[in-house]
Amino acid sequence: DGGITQSPKYLFRKEGQNVTLSCEQNLNHDAMYWYRQDPGQGLRLIYYSQIVNDFQKGDIAEGYSVSREKKESFPLTVTSAQKNPTAFYLCASSPTGVGLMSEQYFGPGTRLTVT
Amino acid sequence: KQEVTQIPAALSVPEGENLVLNCSFTDSAIYNLQWFRQDPGKGLTSLLLIQSSQREQTSGRLNASLDKSSGRSTLYIAASQPGDSATYLCAVGQGTYKYIFGTGTRLKVLA
Repeated sequence: DGGITQSPKYLFRKEGQNVTLSCEQNLNHDAMYWYRQDPGQGLRLIYYSQIVNDFQKGDIAEGYSVSREKKESFPLTVTSAQKNPTAFYLCASSPTGVGLMSEQYFGPGTRLTVT
Repeated sequence: KQEVTQIPAALSVPEGENLVLNCSFTDSAIYNLQWFRQDPGKGLTSLLLIQSSQREQTSGRLNASLDKSSGRSTLYIAASQPGDSATYLCAVGQGTYKYIFGTGTRLKVLA
C-alpha cells in the first residue's frame, strides 16, 4: 500500500535533548513538508523540500532542522533551541512538479511531549 | 498576508441533516483549495481539491465550491451520519509550495 509513515506515534523527551522524528513516503512524490499543530491553531509550516538535497524554511523553522538525502525520507530534528516543542507533528507530501501545486497527503502524525 | 478563517469553530447536528461548512480567505490569488478531515489524534485525510480555475468538486455525499472573487469556499455534506463526526480543515494553496490552513470546524453528528 502506498502512503506516508511517521514514527514513533508518541515520543517523550526531557528538556534539553534533541529528538528526530521520522517521515517516509512510498508515493514517489517530489515535495515533502513538516507541519506543527497546536490546539486551537491551524497547521503551521516548519520546513518543506521540493527535491532531494534541497529544503526551505517555513514560517516557524527556528529550533528545527531537516535533511533530504533520499526522495522518500524527510526526517525532522527538534533541537534543544526550540522553546516550546510539545506539539503534534505532521508530515505531508505532494506530487508537485515545477510551477504546480497539487494535492497534499498526510502521515498519521507524531505527538511529542517534552518535560 | 493570507488569512484563512473557518466559522463556526464547532457544530452539532442531528443525523440525516444536510450541512454546510465555511472557509474564508483574504487573498484571492490562490492556486487551489483543499478540504481535509481529521479524526482525534490522527493525521489529515484529503477530501476534495479544487483548482483555482474550477468552481466545484464532488465526491459522494461531499460537494465543495470555490468563489475566488469573494474569498469563500463551502463544503456541503449531504445526509450527515455519525461517522462524519470529525474536524474539517481547509487549506489554501498560495504558491511556492505554501499552504495556509484554517483552524477547522469540529463537527458532531448526533445519532
